[in-house]
Amino acid sequence: EDKVVQSPLSLVVHEGDTVTLNCSYEVTNFRSLLWYKQEKKAPTFLFMLTSSGIEKKSGRLSSILDKKELFSILNITATQTGDSAVYLCAVEAGSGYALNFGKGTSLLVTP
Amino acid sequence: DGGITQSPKYLFRKEGQNVTLSCEQNLNHDAMYWYRQDPGQGLRLIYYSQIVNDFQKGDIAEGYSVSREKKESFPLTVTSAQKNPTAFYLCASSLNTPYNQPQHFGDGTRLSIL
Repeated sequence: EDKVVQSPLSLVVHEGDTVTLNCSYEVTNFRSLLWYKQEKKAPTFLFMLTSSGIEKKSGRLSSILDKKELFSILNITATQTGDSAVYLCAVEAGSGYALNFGKGTSLLVTP
Repeated sequence: DGGITQSPKYLFRKEGQNVTLSCEQNLNHDAMYWYRQDPGQGLRLIYYSQIVNDFQKGDIAEGYSVSREKKESFPLTVTSAQKNPTAFYLCASSLNTPYNQPQHFGDGTRLSIL
């Protein structure tokens, strides 16, 4: 059975801190790993990773995939209160197009 | 504006009642998906459709039904057979090609039992 595990499940930091969110996976026929940010409503797409070792970056957010060790990390530097959200990791595997999601990491950034 | 529209935002179901959640997209995406989200849980796949007039069951299809008569629309019916329907329902869509396209989500429908 395909499995996606995120850690930690929740995290509280102060504004300005740097955080690292983890996602490990065990799937058959890996195709891609995606990160989403969810603030109460629709998850919004952050990154899609398909190749090991290539960092994807968008502003203060970055992510990297290790296909040998089967994990990905999402880094957020200089956190702001607007970064408070649930961060979802999902893996696309097998022959279909559907995503397997982890339970998410709930991040709270305090002023 | 291009996007995915889910309606209604909030829905209440009585015992024994079927309800239908709407999902429409104008992104010209080929594939559409329905997920269910419960508190403290990740998203779980209910049904998905890669092309018109074809759909496949996901991990938790029991008690749900779908149709895909048009490319833009993928309605989900929660039947009375679904004994625990209270959840947040998310619709998503994506292109099938080129390879490896991300799914984009609507704003969701929150369903509760009366």
